[in-house]
Parts: sequence; C-alpha cells; structure tokens
Amino acid sequence: GNSVTQMEGPVTLSEEAFLTINCTYTATGYPSLFWYVQYPGEGLQLLLKATKADDKGSNKGFEATYRKETTSFHLEKGSVQVSDSAVYFCHFQGAQKLVFGQGTRLTINP
Amino acid sequence: ETGVTQSPTHLIKTRGQQVTLRCSSQSGHNTVSWYQQALGQGPQFIFQYYREEENGRGNFPPRFSGLQFPNYSSELNVNALELDDSALYLCASSLGERETQYFGPGTRLLVL
Repeated sequence: GNSVTQMEGPVTLSEEAFLTINCTYTATGYPSLFWYVQYPGEGLQLLLKATKADDKGSNKGFEATYRKETTSFHLEKGSVQVSDSAVYFCHFQGAQKLVFGQGTRLTINP
Repeated sequence: ETGVTQSPTHLIKTRGQQVTLRCSSQSGHNTVSWYQQALGQGPQFIFQYYREEENGRGNFPPRFSGLQFPNYSSELNVNALELDDSALYLCASSLGERETQYFGPGTRLLVL
C-alpha cells in the first residue's frame, strides 16, 4: 500500500551543523513529493516540493531531490540555525492518495 | 488574500454524538482535503473533494462523510463519535490534485 517512512526523532543539533532527515515512500505510479514544516505555535506550511523524478526542491537553504530509483526524498541543509527548530513532515500525493510521514522534531541549540 | 479558515477552533462532544466541522478554502482553490492528526503523529488523510466531488478517500469508516459547496468551502461530518475520534482535524485547500496544500489552523475535537 501507500506509505511514507520518515526518520524518527527527536533530532537535536548544534547551530551550523549539517542536517539530513531521511524519507522513503511506497506508492503506485509517480507521486508528487513535499516537505511541510510546522514551527512552534504555527500551522503546517510548505517547505519545498518536487513533482517528477530527479527534480530538486529548495527553499530557505533546505534541499531535497526526488529519487525514483530509491523511492526517497531526503531533506538536507548545510548549516542549520536556531530558527529551523520545528517539526518536519514528508508527504506525497499520488492518484487520489495523500500520505504524511509521522514527523521529525528538530531542535537546534545555539 | 484570505487564507484557509476552520470553525470551530475547539469542540467537546460525548460518545455517540454527531459533529460537523467547517472549512473555508483559500480564494480560487477548488480542492479541499481533510486530515485527522493525533498528538505527536502525522496527519492522516480522510478524504479530498475536487469541484464538489469526492476525489479520494483514506482508511476511515463511512461515519466520516463530507461535502463541498459551489463556493468550494467544505464540511466534515462525523457520526456516532468514538473516544478515538479525539484529535486535531485539519483542512487544506489547493488549486488541484498534487498541488501545494494550504492548511487551516485546525479544529481540536475532544470526545468524552
């Protein structure tokens, strides 16, 4: 069936560290892939997206590449900031199916 | 541009009752999706409406039903409430299938 497996949290890093949050998916066909973020006290909002294989989504220094061969969409950032502390959700939209991962809570310490 | 709004913000019901949650989509958006989010979990897809027709459904029983109106606002109805229905219910609107979703703040439902 359709599913998203996301790296379990919580993840705690120091400022300026490199970040990777893994995400793999199981889906029929070729879904569109997204990362959503929820900052403390705020609602879910789009961070980045990719709609076809080998596309790279990027925003606010974050990047993720749609890898069809490994069914993955890992989120990366070269140098995290305290303001990146939030919960991150991997998400796909396929044919009439929308699936979120369970979320990864990220805390960045100064 | 008005964002996605949901009402009410909080609701308390007892087991067996029925509830209706409402969502106003962002201007110009013809697609609305509903999710259930338990504490510490990711949102679970309930169903999606596109131009007033159901366009996909997750693994929720038939007592979860919905509507989309000509102005693309939407309702989620839950009959015969159970304790496990206690959760945050999120509505998201978009310009179509596989497009970026814009989320409302949610309705927190508590079933006693």
